Amino acid sequence: NAGVMQNPRHLVRRRGQEARLRCSPMKGHSHVYWYRQLPEEGLKFMVYLQKENIIDESGMPKERFSAEFPKEGPSILRIQQVVRGDSAAYFCASSPSQADTQYFGPGTRLTVL
Amino acid sequence: DAKTTQPPSMDCAEGRAANLPCNHSTISGNEYVYWYRQIHSQGPQYIIHGLKNNETNEMASLIITEDRKSSTLILPHATLRDTAVYYCIVRPTDSWGKLQFGAGTQVVVTP
Repeated sequence: NAGVMQNPRHLVRRRGQEARLRCSPMKGHSHVYWYRQLPEEGLKFMVYLQKENIIDESGMPKERFSAEFPKEGPSILRIQQVVRGDSAAYFCASSPSQADTQYFGPGTRLTVL
Repeated sequence: DAKTTQPPSMDCAEGRAANLPCNHSTISGNEYVYWYRQIHSQGPQYIIHGLKNNETNEMASLIITEDRKSSTLILPHATLRDTAVYYCIVRPTDSWGKLQFGAGTQVVVTP
């Protein structure tokens, strides 16, 4: 059973470009969570999604950030018009239900030039 | 949500047991204690969790005090690959899902 997969593992964008981060949950998991880890800081929750629904987006920045988890395909975290402060590691986790253990992917490291 | 307190760092000799403490004095009856670790900027790795009873798996043991106000994660035979930041997290059983990570404990296993 493959673990949580994230791609790309490394992403470089110039200021003003768009970044799309993908997360494929573990098989049988329909709950996805995104976390961000800024350099030298701890992990911070961003958004929690279940298939086609956003359950909790209390940690998402109000502008430029969006997330989706379509019925088919991976979850996508989208960052529009990236700025240098968006440079961070973005981790995705999945679980079979909202109260179950979350398992994390390897992360996507975004660098904004 | 209940908060946790962990020492910022600790060293452990290779082959010895590592005992990682965590205080969660405001924990509620419906909150689990979870432990994760993060090895050098990799994705957090689930270790173990428990509610009231002590738990053991292939990675570690979790000892929760009777009053549930503190717990200890035990790595029975630390190896160099156990060097990581260890996070103790309390989480309601009816949580909407998000995990709240603190600063954790930086564990360094030395030869």
